[in-house]
Amino acid sequence: NAGVTQTPKFQVLKTGQSMTLQCAQDMNHEYMSWYRQDPGMGLRLIHYSVGAGITDQGEVPNGYNVSRSTTEDFPLRLLSAAPSQTSVYFCASSYSWGIQETQYFGPGTRLLVL
Amino acid sequence: QQQVKQSPQSLIVQKGGISIINCAYENTAFDYFPWYQQFPGKGPALLIAIRPDVSEKKEGRFTISFNKSAKQFSLHIMDSQPGDSATYFCALFGNTGKLIFGQGTTLQVKP
Repeated sequence: NAGVTQTPKFQVLKTGQSMTLQCAQDMNHEYMSWYRQDPGMGLRLIHYSVGAGITDQGEVPNGYNVSRSTTEDFPLRLLSAAPSQTSVYFCASSYSWGIQETQYFGPGTRLLVL
Repeated sequence: QQQVKQSPQSLIVQKGGISIINCAYENTAFDYFPWYQQFPGKGPALLIAIRPDVSEKKEGRFTISFNKSAKQFSLHIMDSQPGDSATYFCALFGNTGKLIFGQGTTLQVKP
């Protein structure tokens, strides 16, 4: 299994541009989520999905959209990039939405918005 | 609002020493307390976790101590090694179904 994969690894955007961060998992996990990691802030939940066709907002959803058309894929869309969205983005997945489920993280996408 | 506070922000320990990282949380709506380890350029990975019905859990050199009444839990790394140099995050999981992370502690173990 490849686990959780993310593309691209690094991206530079100009303010106002849009882009999609890709996330895929091959573990047949129902639960997927997106986090952003900023210095001194830990990881903050952006959006999550408990299964195909079901998404919900996390702690910091503004400026981001998600959709979950398949179990495997959970793309994150930046509609109009802002410098405040400069961050490292991690996708994670787990077998289900439960307290004892380990979340598996991808390698991250480093985004710089100029 | 900040539901979990992690300290220290950074930690330097000599090889063979004990590394201690602390987390404090604000309410009792959480019932699963994992610690994640993150190496540079990688995503976080689960290291060890505890449920509040036990006060301590040990896995090899890593131990979680949990104080439910004080709403605090800590990670102890015994016999710290240079390979333990990483960023450590405590986290909380409760009835919201969401994982809430602490701010992170960067550990450097000097040889």
